[in-house]
Amino acid sequence: AQSVTQLGSHVSVSEGALVLLRCNYSSSVPPYLFWYVQYPNQGLQLLLKYTTGATLVKGINGFEAEFKKSETSFHLTKPSAHMSDAAEYFCAVIKRGNYGGSQGNLIFGKGTKLSVKP
Amino acid sequence: DTEVTQTPKHLVMGMTNKKSLKCEQHMGHRAMYWYKQKAKKPPELMFVYSYEKLSINESVPSRFSPECPNSSLLNLHLHALQPEDSALYLCASSQEGHHYGYTFGSGTRLTVV
Repeated sequence: AQSVTQLGSHVSVSEGALVLLRCNYSSSVPPYLFWYVQYPNQGLQLLLKYTTGATLVKGINGFEAEFKKSETSFHLTKPSAHMSDAAEYFCAVIKRGNYGGSQGNLIFGKGTKLSVKP
Repeated sequence: DTEVTQTPKHLVMGMTNKKSLKCEQHMGHRAMYWYKQKAKKPPELMFVYSYEKLSINESVPSRFSPECPNSSLLNLHLHALQPEDSALYLCASSQEGHHYGYTFGSGTRLTVV
């Protein structure tokens, strides 16, 4: 079964500091992993995804994530935080193989709220 | 057009009311989804439609009734809801296959009184 665990429900950084949001996955098959961002009272926006190929994935808004199979991790980073990065971030994995058809179920971690201090 | 549009953005309904949530996409995606998100929680899958047919129902109570009239539209009909059903209801769509990720709408904030 596929699942993700986000370490830390709340992360606070200063503006200009490194952002590191942690996500570990559990999967018996090669995982498809995603990071989404949710601003208050908004839907979810895809930041980046890992499916196959390059393990360092670049996304929107300066975010990137590295797939590390040996550590079963997919941590999200940004070199320099901006006030506009304050939001909820969700790591997610496609749970597949249990249903008919090619659609799976996007399973989310519990989320990490990022606060950015001026 | 790269958006999923949900209406209404906010809805307040009584426990005896009947209402519908609407979702529309024009990206040619053949899979559409309803998720429910309670405050400070991650989204949880309710229903999946694939090629306009219901393919996944995550044991959702019958007071929630999904409908997919065509490949661009997805409705969620609500009847006799309870206050604990108050939540953000998110619609999403995706291309065929697991690796594309989902495109989410901005959601409908539902309050049941």
